[in-house]
Amino acid sequence: DQQVKQNSPSLSVQEGRISILNCDYTNSMFDYFLWYKKYPAEGPTFLISISSIKDKNEDGRFTVFLNKSAKHLSLHIVPSQPGDSAVYFCAASAPQKLVFGQGTRLTINP
Amino acid sequence: ETGVTQSPTHLIKTRGQQVTLRCSSQSGHNTVSWYQQALGQGPQFIFQYYREEENGRGNFPPRFSGLQFPNYSSELNVNALELDDSALYLCASSFGAREGTDTQYFGPGTRLTVL
Repeated sequence: DQQVKQNSPSLSVQEGRISILNCDYTNSMFDYFLWYKKYPAEGPTFLISISSIKDKNEDGRFTVFLNKSAKHLSLHIVPSQPGDSAVYFCAASAPQKLVFGQGTRLTINP
Repeated sequence: ETGVTQSPTHLIKTRGQQVTLRCSSQSGHNTVSWYQQALGQGPQFIFQYYREEENGRGNFPPRFSGLQFPNYSSELNVNALELDDSALYLCASSFGAREGTDTQYFGPGTRLTVL
């Protein structure tokens, strides 16, 4: 069973605009979430996280929103830059492990 | 501060063989987790080691085994390789056993191909 889902395999956004990546989860016991970015031939790089006691966390151009009632989180990137082109993974924290979504490939067009 | 390193970068094996992958954790981290990432999928948790003991395991058969050494480096061993074991194997390190909010930092991965 897929407990963390990223339903959009790909997303294309124009440079300078906002990129919004979405993630849904099914397990209400999850209380900490992370976003990772992955370039080809590299491991995932930690971007930003959020605890379930918050509904928003910002770090520079990156903001993560959490809607616990909908079991939904989203990552906003503003403004989008060419270097943001990568695969983005949403992950939920469970004891001893991270549970990942399938990833969304973000392409920033000039 | 040294990041997570993995070796080798790439590996080609044949079905039935055995393989050992290695990981050095980030400086100051005592916990290592291993993940398998198949093509087009997110990473799947294999197991975690904390202070040299297995501290959690995902849905992988016993032919996947591991070790953690006193310096917190780790090995992943896979016996009787199958074609479906072809994947990117990722190692992640963190500080403390995973009880909630420890961020895991990943290495570059080892690409294993089984022919």
